[in-house]
Formats: sequence, C-alpha cells, structure tokens
Amino acid sequence: EVQLVQSGAEVKKPGESLKISCKGSGYTFTNYWVAWVRQMPAKGLEWMGIIYPSDSDTRYSPSFQGQVIISADKSITTAYLQWSGLEASDTAMYYCARFGTAGGRFADYWGQGTPVTVSS
Amino acid sequence: QSALTQPRSVSGSPGQSVTISCTGSSSDVGGYTFVSWYQQHPGKAPKLIIYDVSKRPSGVPDRFSGSKSGNTASLTISGLQAEDEADYYCCSFAGSYTYVFGTETKVTVL
Repeated sequence: EVQLVQSGAEVKKPGESLKISCKGSGYTFTNYWVAWVRQMPAKGLEWMGIIYPSDSDTRYSPSFQGQVIISADKSITTAYLQWSGLEASDTAMYYCARFGTAGGRFADYWGQGTPVTVSS
Repeated sequence: QSALTQPRSVSGSPGQSVTISCTGSSSDVGGYTFVSWYQQHPGKAPKLIIYDVSKRPSGVPDRFSGSKSGNTASLTISGLQAEDEADYYCCSFAGSYTYVFGTETKVTVL
C-alpha cells in the first residue's frame, strides 16, 4: 500500500527554523517526484515545489523560490521542507504529494498534512 | 506562474449537473494534456478524481468527468449527490516538472 506519512504538528516563533518531513512507503521512492503544497487557513492549494529523490532534481514555484528549501534522503525514503526564518504568514497546512514522471503528471497519493503555526 | 482561474462557488440540487471551469494559458492548461482535478472535504487531504484531462482513477464514480478546450478545462459532476459537497481544485502541468493549482471552487448541494 502506497503511503506518504508526514511529521506532526509544529508551533514555532517568528524567526525560528523548521524542517518537516514526508516518508514514502509501499512504492519505489526514487521513481516518483514528491511535491509540497501549502494551504493557508480557509484558503486554496498552492503548489510550492517538487523534488525527484533519485537525483535530488528540484523545481520551485516562483512564489516560493528562495523562501523554502526542498530536499530528500532516498536512503530513508523521506522528503523534507524547511525554512530558515519563519514568519507568521507561514502559518498553514502543508501537504506532500506523489507526482509521476512522464506517464503520471498528477498527484495520486497525498500525505495527511502537517499543520504549522507561527506565532509570537 | 499565476493560479488558474476557477469560479468561487457552484451549486445544484441532488441529481442535477454542475460544471466547474478552470482557465489558464497556453503555458499551462492550453499547452499540455496534463490537467488533473482534486476533491477536498473539510479537514481532509485532497483526493485525485480526474487526471490527464478526462481519465478517472479506479474507484472514482463515473458521474465525474473532465474535458478541455483551448486554455480552459472543465469538471462536470452529473447526478449530483450530497457527498459531492466539497472544495474542488484543478491542477495543470506548466512545463519543466512544475505545476499550478486553480483557485478554490466550493460545490454546494442544495
């Protein structure tokens, strides 16, 4: 069974750093892309960026380029999303999602979401 | 890379049909046959309901259908049911393994 299991809820202060994770199982982790999607409170989905764990090829939405870092450790089938200096506006639910390659350009499996709260 | 444009809300009575549009540009929706649609119930993760413009994953009811013309894709829900009340999002490939989501459409079953 394909699963993406995300790390738990986080409460942070502005300026702090954070790294959340998404562990894939039940499939060949290096054969699929893993994307991160932001959903701010009562708002829509925003595509942040994507990584191909096989070679760590990473692409970012222009809106998030330079704001976050996406990485992966294929040895433990885990993708990461990290911030070096959180802001209150980073408060949101963050989802990871599996995207296919040439024959599967859609997100067929999603993590359960990681809520992040940034407040002083 | 601007968000694709969807109507804020659509509604219909049980059994009726509703259609959600998703308008982009030649750089995304119009340039590829890689439009997907997602259903999201409150407090839940999104769920894939249509991929490659008009294909349905296993287990998705055939009352959900998709199409595309030019820079606009559409999702039609035929025979609307109470459980279809949710938020819906389109998503398009935008080249170089980047993607863009549409703005949220809230479907209300009257």
